This record gives sequence, C-alpha cells and structure tokens, in this order.
Amino acid sequence: SAVISQKPSRDICQRGTSLTIQCQVDSQVTMMFWYRQQPGQSLTLIATANQGSEATYESGFVIDKFPISRPNLTFSTLTVSNMSPEDSSIYLCSVEDPWAGGRMNTEAFFGQGTRLTVV
Amino acid sequence: KNQVEQSPQSLIILEGKNCTLQCNYTVSPFSNLRWYKQDTGRGPVSLTIMTFSENTKSNGRYTATLDADTKQSSLHITASQLSDSASYICVVSGTAGTALIFGKGTTLSVSS
Repeated sequence: SAVISQKPSRDICQRGTSLTIQCQVDSQVTMMFWYRQQPGQSLTLIATANQGSEATYESGFVIDKFPISRPNLTFSTLTVSNMSPEDSSIYLCSVEDPWAGGRMNTEAFFGQGTRLTVV
Repeated sequence: KNQVEQSPQSLIILEGKNCTLQCNYTVSPFSNLRWYKQDTGRGPVSLTIMTFSENTKSNGRYTATLDADTKQSSLHITASQLSDSASYICVVSGTAGTALIFGKGTTLSVSS
C-alpha cells in the first residue's frame, strides 16, 4: 500500500488568490492523479500528473487554472489559481500503479484531501 | 456513456442491523469494480476490489458481490457499527491506466 501525505488539510482563501496543494507519497509511483469532490458529488478527475512532462487534463479543466507539477515519482503539486467561490471543494491526490509487477488490478490510494473554501 | 449509479442516495439504520448498498454501471470495457469507504473529512479508503471473474469478496463485515452479466454490484454490511457511518463509493475501472469512473456514493448513518 501507499501512504499519501497531502497538505494543507484545509484552507480558507480570498477570491482572486491562488493555493498550492502538495502531495507526497512514501514510495515511487507511476501514476498520480488530482481529483475534485464538490459537495454531494462524486469525485471528478482534474488531471493526471506525469513525471517529467506536462499533466494531462480532463475535459473542463485547463492548465492555466490548475497548474500541476510532478518533479519526481513521489511528489506532486496542484495549484488552484485565481480562485472564486465556485472553486470551493475538496481536492484529493491519488496514486495507482496498474503495471506494478505485471499486476493489472491494483488499488488506488487517496490522500486525506484538502478542503478549500473561497470567500 | 460510462456511468456508475448508486442507490440509495442515503440510508439510516440502527446499530447492529445489516444493510445492502447497490451499484449499477455501464462502463465498457470493464476491468474491475471497487468499493471505497469515505469518512467525513478523509480520503476514500479501499474496501474491496473485484475483477469480472469474481462474484464475491469479503473484508471483515463488508461483503461485495458482482454480477458482470447484469453489470450490478452490491455491498452488504453485517452487524453495523457506529463507525460504519460514512459515504460508500462504487468505482469502476476500464482498461488499465484509464480514468476511474466514480459513483456519487451512498451516505450511511448508523444510529444507536
């Protein structure tokens, strides 16, 4: 299993500012993901953080709004830029290594989440 | 369209009672189905993961079933405890490396 440290756990931010969320994993992993979970909704994938290259964004999410870094196989950051109240949500980091050891069906592990409130 | 639908949306039961949560999916191709428990203010934690060839899998008081033909899964919780109060999320995976499809979850409240 992977242990993920995500911080901050929560923050209250002014609109127009930016917040950077950090995700640290206790082992090297191939795939790291960033999700958003809005109140009462399921998790929505924002992007896949690729080591050594640009992140791959899902439809509806853009790099200017959610820049992502992945400097190595154990760390990633997600920045929520120019925040508005609509960005208030829980942001989750997740890791999975579906090809580890040739196994196809590995688990996804999640950080504790960052609860963001924009006022 | 790949979707995962869960029911009921919320459920309240008395401590010690059993309950069953449902999950229907339309994801294709299908690789595996997972159930996660998410406590308030925490990230989801895996309970079970099943491939198309598995019909049932248990993890303590949690038992998940899968019918890949009808594309239905259930999570049965036996002898519920107050600590079972959480959101239970059904997640379906397509081929390896593709995005997971999440259900909206069932919010379970166990009262004494």
